[in-house]
Amino acid sequence: ETGVTQTPRHLVMGMTNKKSLKCEQHLGHNAMYWYKQSAKKPLELMFVYSLEERVENNSVPSRFSPECPNSSHLFLHLHTLQPEDSALYLCASSQGQIHNSPLHFGNGTRLTVT
Amino acid sequence: GQQVMQIPQYQHVQEGEDFTTYCNSSTTLSNIQWYKQRPGGHPVFLIQLVKSGEVKKQKRLTFQFGEAKKNSSLHITATQTTDVGTYFCAELRGGNTPLVFGKGTRLSVIA
Repeated sequence: ETGVTQTPRHLVMGMTNKKSLKCEQHLGHNAMYWYKQSAKKPLELMFVYSLEERVENNSVPSRFSPECPNSSHLFLHLHTLQPEDSALYLCASSQGQIHNSPLHFGNGTRLTVT
Repeated sequence: GQQVMQIPQYQHVQEGEDFTTYCNSSTTLSNIQWYKQRPGGHPVFLIQLVKSGEVKKQKRLTFQFGEAKKNSSLHITATQTTDVGTYFCAELRGGNTPLVFGKGTRLSVIA
């Protein structure tokens, strides 16, 4: 499935670096999400955007900064991360009522913080 | 925070055996979704259950929503090696609250 594309697929960064994760959806959906997937933990919702407006910020530290310039693109800007932030970061999109519609996930970015 | 009880955490089966994973909630759910994630892959939506007592089938997969809308199950008949992966339930509790994912059941199929 190539409806949701994430880049890069893998990222290694030091704690003082600044990097950005990119997500693009080609499905015409009206909502986009960032999820964090860590080992032995459930998928954690980080941010939700509906029609380019942030509707949810799930108590995420300020070192993660989302940006949604239009309904097809979503970014996650990273700065001064910690080793415990190493995880798979998944972007998803959906159409219709948020939280009540199936999620279409991208392949994810595997992030390692050294 | 909110947690979803999903059991078992791991299941190893011989190819051809059946497999079932369960999700249980302490509250009545608005609906429940099921996803599958292959090793190294991303979660892929399988199905959404909305009605009390609903049963849906996809080939060898049978999904069930409890009468009280507090539990759900996914049953795979005669597993194949292509069924390998982690199966997640995601609960929607209504009131514009987000989906809450379970930890998943990791299925291994031995040929």
